[in-house]
Amino acid sequence: EAQVTQNPRYLITVTGKKLTVTCSQNMNHEYMSWYRQDPGLGLRQIYYSMNVEVTDKGDVPEGYKVSRKEKRNFPLILESPSPNQTSLYFCASSPAWVRSYEQYFGPGTRLTVT
Amino acid sequence: DQQVKQNSPSLSVQEGRISILNCDYTNSMFDYFLWYKKYPAEGPTFLISISSIKDKNEDGRFTVFLNKSAKHLSLHIVPSQPGDSAVYFCAASAKEVTGGGNKLTFGTGTQLKVEL
Repeated sequence: EAQVTQNPRYLITVTGKKLTVTCSQNMNHEYMSWYRQDPGLGLRQIYYSMNVEVTDKGDVPEGYKVSRKEKRNFPLILESPSPNQTSLYFCASSPAWVRSYEQYFGPGTRLTVT
Repeated sequence: DQQVKQNSPSLSVQEGRISILNCDYTNSMFDYFLWYKKYPAEGPTFLISISSIKDKNEDGRFTVFLNKSAKHLSLHIVPSQPGDSAVYFCAASAKEVTGGGNKLTFGTGTQLKVEL
């Protein structure tokens, strides 16, 4: 089944404790992206990657890191999480960075930082 | 600065009637628009899109209308069904000046409830 998977789905952590949210797609998509969803703000892009080893900042990259060493994986790293990073996170992928291609979203990761 | 706005946080419609979800945008560089649907505990799923060279796109029960002069688009669902109950996000894309990217700018969503 073609899908985007994220792990973990739920995570409660404390301020400053490094964490990684994994994202994997099995569709051989070139383009991958991370979004966060917050009440009243919609989904905002954090980082995106147009291909392996090619990443760039989105609208809200502060406090996050990403890497794209393999085509299928695009982990989101929070080196020192803070409470303002409490949010619902979505990973997405697309066949290419061409805008006419739809993005496929993972199921989401709900992160709480206390 | 919210460049894509969905001013109605919720909408309730009776089964069989038309649902109209609205979206306004401010960035004149947006030239590609999409609607996504989201059920609880799931990620958004693509529903329908429209390029700025068109003013209407239809796919089964779903039709998106684009009014460029008013910077407004709408999603019509006819007839509405209980399974359509979900959050609907409007999203827009602009051609980047440099590089590439497929960045989407999303609205805040409208919760549609279709009642029996």
